Amino acid sequence: GAGVSQTPSNKVTEKGKYVELRCDPISGHTALYWYRQSLGQGPEFLIYFQGTGAADDSGLPNDRFFAVRPEGSVSTLKIQRTERGDSAVYLCASSLRGQIYGYTFGSGTRLTVV
Amino acid sequence: EDQVTQSPEALRLQEGESSSLNCSYTVSGLRGLFWYRQDPGKGPEFLFTLYSAGEEKEKERLKATLTKKESFLHITAPKPEDSATYLCAVQTSNTGKLIFGQGTTLQVKP
Repeated sequence: GAGVSQTPSNKVTEKGKYVELRCDPISGHTALYWYRQSLGQGPEFLIYFQGTGAADDSGLPNDRFFAVRPEGSVSTLKIQRTERGDSAVYLCASSLRGQIYGYTFGSGTRLTVV
Repeated sequence: EDQVTQSPEALRLQEGESSSLNCSYTVSGLRGLFWYRQDPGKGPEFLFTLYSAGEEKEKERLKATLTKKESFLHITAPKPEDSATYLCAVQTSNTGKLIFGQGTTLQVKP
């Protein structure tokens, strides 16, 4: 597609539930990044994929968070046993082989845990 | 620990009133410094990349500069459409991972 697509754009879930957030990167972009942005803050790195593999998952806050990219294109961020502190905007970005110039962000998924 | 700090947190300008936003950084090794613009409900939009002290980049009313400890985003004769949050980020590894500051929210009044 023309840009990075994230679905859903908004998600409200109850505390303790499981959620999946989807990211469709720009076609041909091999690098994919997930960030989390809390209100009034800058984005915070979560995980980086190069192709199908997670090359850097140092930003995942705990083992409730997991991400996959099985075919090297679409990625899913999975959050188990959601907590109210997980409420934030989850941003996805993609680029060609990690090149910053082509680092394009999606509009994000706003997750609210009630 | 690598750290990026932006100031001020918020800035209100009259249309045509030039000003500067600051981004101070403390990192183990800088591979690049980036400026992004973010509109409400949108993802960050790339503006500039700076790689070495003394480098400058310009785009319309915006000019970014870099020293060994900080970067400035200069806004000349701003217009209301320049209102947005401006984010600064640094890259310290070859993975493309960015460390962002908290942003400066700019409001330009007509």
